[in-house]
Amino acid sequence: DAGVTQSPTHLIKTRGQQVTLRCSPKSGHDTVSWYQQALGQGPQFIFQYYEEEERQRGNFPDRFSGHQFPNYSSELNVNALLLGDSALYLCASVRSWRTAETQYFGPGTRLLVL
Amino acid sequence: AQKVTQAQTEISVVEKEDVTLDCVYETRDTTYYLFWYKQPPSGELVFLIRRNSFDEQNEISGRYSWNFQKSTSSFNFTITASQVVDSAVYFCALSEGANAGKSTFGDGTTLTVKP
Repeated sequence: DAGVTQSPTHLIKTRGQQVTLRCSPKSGHDTVSWYQQALGQGPQFIFQYYEEEERQRGNFPDRFSGHQFPNYSSELNVNALLLGDSALYLCASVRSWRTAETQYFGPGTRLLVL
Repeated sequence: AQKVTQAQTEISVVEKEDVTLDCVYETRDTTYYLFWYKQPPSGELVFLIRRNSFDEQNEISGRYSWNFQKSTSSFNFTITASQVVDSAVYFCALSEGANAGKSTFGDGTTLTVKP
């Protein structure tokens, strides 16, 4: 049973560029959440996708957007990259957001913005 | 708003010592879930334990145990007979009861276990 997978593992971009990160949820999970983890801090919730729509959002600007596909996989897009966007981006999935289930995390994508 | 505080930034112990990681949370929800995750240097968050707000029974799972006290809003985590492989960053997290998949995390405690 495959867990949550993310690609790529590492990315280096320059300020102003755009980036797309990808995530495949754990088998049987239909809800995907994205988190940003800056160095030395805990993960911060960006947004959550369910049924191909953004269901809820944390305190992040519109430069952060996402998408969920019919197979439940998801993408995180960040436009106009800033130096402060450098972080570990974690994807998590849960069987259903309605249930009291544990969410499981992928290995993350390390983004460095120069 | 929810908040999780892990006051211990770093802890260093010698192998085989017991170590307790502290977590204090704030929430207005009556139904919520508390989690502990481990993050090794590779970066992946590994789920360790979960507790719901209705069950204050403390349990032991192998070398892990936890102490959940609603009266003090604390959810402490203990590793018994620590091992070098336990070295990692440990995060406490809080989720609303009807909103799985959205968690509020503390800033983590870095545990170093020396041989």
